[in-house]
Amino acid sequence: AQSVTQLGSHVSVSEGALVLLRCNYSSSVPPYLFWYVQYPNQGLQLLLKYTSAATLVKGINGFEAEFKKSETSFHLTKPSAHMSDAAEYFCAVSDRAGTASKLTFGTGTRLQVTL
Amino acid sequence: DTAVSQTPKYLVTQMGNDKSIKCEQNLGHDTMYWYKQDSKKFLKIMFSYNNKELIINETVPNRFSPKSPDKAHLNLHINSLELGDSAVYFCASSQDTRGLGTDTQYFGPGTRLTVL
Repeated sequence: AQSVTQLGSHVSVSEGALVLLRCNYSSSVPPYLFWYVQYPNQGLQLLLKYTSAATLVKGINGFEAEFKKSETSFHLTKPSAHMSDAAEYFCAVSDRAGTASKLTFGTGTRLQVTL
Repeated sequence: DTAVSQTPKYLVTQMGNDKSIKCEQNLGHDTMYWYKQDSKKFLKIMFSYNNKELIINETVPNRFSPKSPDKAHLNLHINSLELGDSAVYFCASSQDTRGLGTDTQYFGPGTRLTVL
């Protein structure tokens, strides 16, 4: 079964600083990888996804992630943090299952942005 | 113009009761899901339906019974509620008829269930 591991349950950065949220995957087949963001008391929203096209994936709100097969990683970055980026971030891998697919999520990383 | 909606948003009930959570999507998707998010924010899939057919059942206790009256709706009925059922339940949908795994899943706002 495929899985993802998110290193760091809590990351704190200053406004304007680089954001780096780490995600490593385990998969016996080429993975499809996703980053979702969850703002307080809301549902999940897709930031970006990797589906075996370009290894550098650009998403919404200035986020991007790079798929590195040699490192089995799919880390999420943003050059300059904004206060509005404070949220819970989830990395996920997609497992095919018949005529559906299921997302297996990491344990999440809470991003705190300070002034 | 909400894409995936759930009702109710909050549900507080006593142990042993039976309750239902409703989900509707207006995206025209064929596949719908239920996920459970526990108190530590861990998200785990429970069920998936494709065009009213159960596709994924992740060893969820049979007290949980999903029902899909049509492909735009997926409801979750829970019998004999237990303390451990307290969680946030998310509905999601995707246009993923071939199970390729590449399609985006769109999530509802969640239903916070508290069992006393």
